[in-house]
Amino acid sequence: GAVVSQHPSWVICKSGTSVKIECRSLDFQATTMFWYRQFPKQSLMLMATSNEGSKATYEQGVEKDKFLINHASLTLSTLTVTSAHPEDSSFYICSASGPGGRGNEQFFGPGTRLTVL
Amino acid sequence: AQTVTQSQPEMSVQEAETVTLSCTYDTSESNYYLFWYKQPPSRQMILVIRQEAYKQQNATENRFSVNFQKAAKSFSLKISDSQLGDTAMYFCAFMNLGDASGTYKYIFGTGTRLKVLA
Repeated sequence: GAVVSQHPSWVICKSGTSVKIECRSLDFQATTMFWYRQFPKQSLMLMATSNEGSKATYEQGVEKDKFLINHASLTLSTLTVTSAHPEDSSFYICSASGPGGRGNEQFFGPGTRLTVL
Repeated sequence: AQTVTQSQPEMSVQEAETVTLSCTYDTSESNYYLFWYKQPPSRQMILVIRQEAYKQQNATENRFSVNFQKAAKSFSLKISDSQLGDTAMYFCAFMNLGDASGTYKYIFGTGTRLKVLA
């Protein structure tokens, strides 16, 4: 139980285009979802937290207009990287928590590798 | 603010041997969880073990066990009978259950890269 999927697993896009990444909780209701960014050989950096039906809360230094997060249902959150540039290339990981999981433990998706040319 | 420190960027261990990864944290909270996650080359985050702060007994999961020293704010992971499949990045994480926002964020350490040698 407590499976989280992400789609796509990898994406290559041209500079200036927008890319949408989906995060789904497959077998539990995710009241809270988290989006992380991870650079090679580094730790996970929390970008934002989203609660179903409300606006996301962004961490300091994360541009909310560049990284649009929508958490429209208890099983789906999306991260849209708008007007992507090469410096946005990274590994993006989502996680989810909610009733049906263990307490407030986060369950992680497999990640999405974004390459911006 | 809470912080998590992993002071060993890289470690190696011979197959079948035992290795201990260190983690210290700083907090003024009393109610929290601690976790160890494994991130293999696939980059999927896998929960290894978790510890509730109110529990005095150290958590164990098969070959994995922790030494939780609450007063010292230390949470080390011991891997016994190391296997090649244990080769991965290991992250220590802290979650404050008293988070007023109710979002229960994780604070991650910088990670320890463990290589198990054949």
